Amino acid sequence: DTEVTQTPKHLVMGMTNKKSLKCEQHMGHRAMYWYKQKAKKPPELMFVYSYEKLSINESVPSRFSPECPNSSLLNLHLHALQPEDSALYLCASSPYSGGSLETQYFGPGTRLLVL
Amino acid sequence: GENVEQHPSTLSVQEGDSAVIKCTYSDSASNYFPWYKQELGKGPQLIIDIRSNVGEKKDQRIAVTLNKTAKHFSLHITETQPEDSAVYFCAASWDSSASKIIFGSGTRLSIRP
Repeated sequence: DTEVTQTPKHLVMGMTNKKSLKCEQHMGHRAMYWYKQKAKKPPELMFVYSYEKLSINESVPSRFSPECPNSSLLNLHLHALQPEDSALYLCASSPYSGGSLETQYFGPGTRLLVL
Repeated sequence: GENVEQHPSTLSVQEGDSAVIKCTYSDSASNYFPWYKQELGKGPQLIIDIRSNVGEKKDQRIAVTLNKTAKHFSLHITETQPEDSAVYFCAASWDSSASKIIFGSGTRLSIRP
């Protein structure tokens, strides 16, 4: 089973709201990722967690706050977003056995609209 | 840093014909090249990948070739079917402490009935 699940599928929020995106995998993967994808563009890496520790932050604004409560879960907390943050947010995971080349498996994404 | 260029941006082929998508990369340290298919409203799904110690890999109607000297790799889809219509992304990666991959800009493939 190579399934990554994400909730919610769709989210509409105002610029003063606080919301969270959730991602879950039960493949025993130890690396998890958040990507942002705008229409007709490739995914852009935002954050990488390896062994539940943040290992990469691609200079993402602080209004996006990631959290990895355990090895199966990844959250993205959203606060005071701007309309230009509207996009498809993708979660991915990979086995991460210590620096070796590994496939990333993507979830279906959460489509976010900021009004 | 690594840069991946992908061509063409759009491709329309007759059902049953072959489709070819080409990518080039800049960093000779890259040694893993996955291809993803993204259908409307869905996340990218891995369809095939190749590592730098292999020149070609096939999986049914899909094949990928890699030329390390020229730093380019290609996706070949034979006997195209309507369900092949999607956006395809090539990507490049390398050994590191975290599996960071760099995507190409994508190719929108349309299969004409």
